[in-house]
Amino acid sequence: EAQVTQNPRYLITVTGKKLTVTCSQNMNHEYMSWYRQDPGLGLRQIYYSMNVEVTDKGDVPEGYKVSRKEKRNFPLILESPSPNQTSLYFCASSRGWEGETQYFGPGTRLLVL
Amino acid sequence: GQQLNQSPQSMFIQEGEDVSMNCTSSSIFNTWLWYKQDPGEGPVLLIALYKAGELTSNGRLTAQFGITRKDSFLNISASIPSDVGIYFCAPLEGGTSYGKLTFGQGTILTVHP
Repeated sequence: EAQVTQNPRYLITVTGKKLTVTCSQNMNHEYMSWYRQDPGLGLRQIYYSMNVEVTDKGDVPEGYKVSRKEKRNFPLILESPSPNQTSLYFCASSRGWEGETQYFGPGTRLLVL
Repeated sequence: GQQLNQSPQSMFIQEGEDVSMNCTSSSIFNTWLWYKQDPGEGPVLLIALYKAGELTSNGRLTAQFGITRKDSFLNISASIPSDVGIYFCAPLEGGTSYGKLTFGQGTILTVHP
C-alpha cells in the first residue's frame, strides 16, 4: 500500500530534550516536505526537499533541522525543543512538483512542556 | 513577503446548500491548489489550477484561477454531511522559491443534516 508513515504519532517531551520525528514514504517520490498545523494559522511549511541531499527552508524553519540522505526518509529534528513548538506536524511527499498530488502522513502531535 | 488571506474562516450550513470560499494574495502565482482535511487526517488534494481564468470541476466541486493570478475560489454545490472538514487553498510559488508551498488559514465547514 502506497503511504507516508510518521513516528511517533504522539509525543510529550520537555524543553531542551532533543527529539526526532521520522517520515518515510514507499512511493519513490522525489519531493518531501514538513508542515506544522496550528489553530487559526493553517499549515505552515517548515522545510522541503526536492531530492536526495537537497533541502530548503519553508516559511518557519527556525528551531528545526532536516536531512535527506535517502530518497524514502526525511526526518525532522528538534535539537532543543521549546513550548512554542507544540503543534501537529505533517510530513508529505509527491512524485514531483508543480501541482503533483502530495500524499500526507497521519500527523504527529507534539507537546513540549 | 506575500500575504495570503482565505475566507470565510468558518461556515455553518444546511445539507443541500451551496458553499463558496476564496483566497486572495498580494502576490502572483502560477498554480493554485485546493485541499480538504478530514478530522484527524492529513490534507488531500481536491483540485489543481494551472492557468489564469481556468475553471475546473471535480464532481460537486468547482474551482477557478483568478484572471489577475492573485486569487482563487472554490464552490461546493448541494453540500452533504461528508463535506465537513477544513478546506485550504495553497498557491505554488516559482522562481527562487520553487518548491515552496504556502497554505491559507483554512475554512472550517460544518454541514447540518
